[in-house]
Amino acid sequence: GNSVTQMEGPVTLSEEAFLTINCTYTATGYPSLFWYVQYPGEGLQLLLKATKADDKGSNKGFEATYRKETTSFHLEKGSVQVSDSAVYFCALSDVNNAGNMLTFGGGTRLMVKP
Amino acid sequence: DGGITQSPKYLFRKEGQNVTLSCEQNLNHDAMYWYRQDPGQGLRLIYYSQIVNDFQKGDIAEGYSVSREKKESFPLTVTSAQKNPTAFYLCASSITGRDQPQHFGDGTRLSIL
Repeated sequence: GNSVTQMEGPVTLSEEAFLTINCTYTATGYPSLFWYVQYPGEGLQLLLKATKADDKGSNKGFEATYRKETTSFHLEKGSVQVSDSAVYFCALSDVNNAGNMLTFGGGTRLMVKP
Repeated sequence: DGGITQSPKYLFRKEGQNVTLSCEQNLNHDAMYWYRQDPGQGLRLIYYSQIVNDFQKGDIAEGYSVSREKKESFPLTVTSAQKNPTAFYLCASSITGRDQPQHFGDGTRLSIL
């Protein structure tokens, strides 16, 4: 079956540091890949997505590249801010689905200190 | 403004009581989903519906029930059979298609009195 593995948190960084959150996946087909962000007490918001190999998703300074050869979709940001403190979820949607069932990773908490 | 509305934001359940969480969307999405999130954990799928009048069990459906009588609405009932209902419940909707992301509501936090 499908699965998503994320690095365990919390990840604690100082403001303006470089961020990487690792995400690797196992899927039977050719999935689409997503990163979601969850701020305290809120639902999930789509951060970025990539639908095929070598695609790069980007939004609000965050980037992730769909790497089929390493089955990875690592999230990066060059300079984090305190306002980026949140929980980040990696997810995949399998091409064999008639609908869009998502498989989520366990989430990685990011804490950015001033 | 299109979106997903969950209500109430906070809900308390007494022993032996059923409670219903509301989820309404005005995005004209065919598919809707319910997830449970426990502290420090990821999301687990409870039920999903890809079309009106049809729904399927997810990974943790025991102790929960749903209905999908209208495209816009997908209420979740937490029954007394669910012995550990304290959690954060998230509703989502999407257009059908693997490239389409799910859009989430702001959640309902359910606690036991």
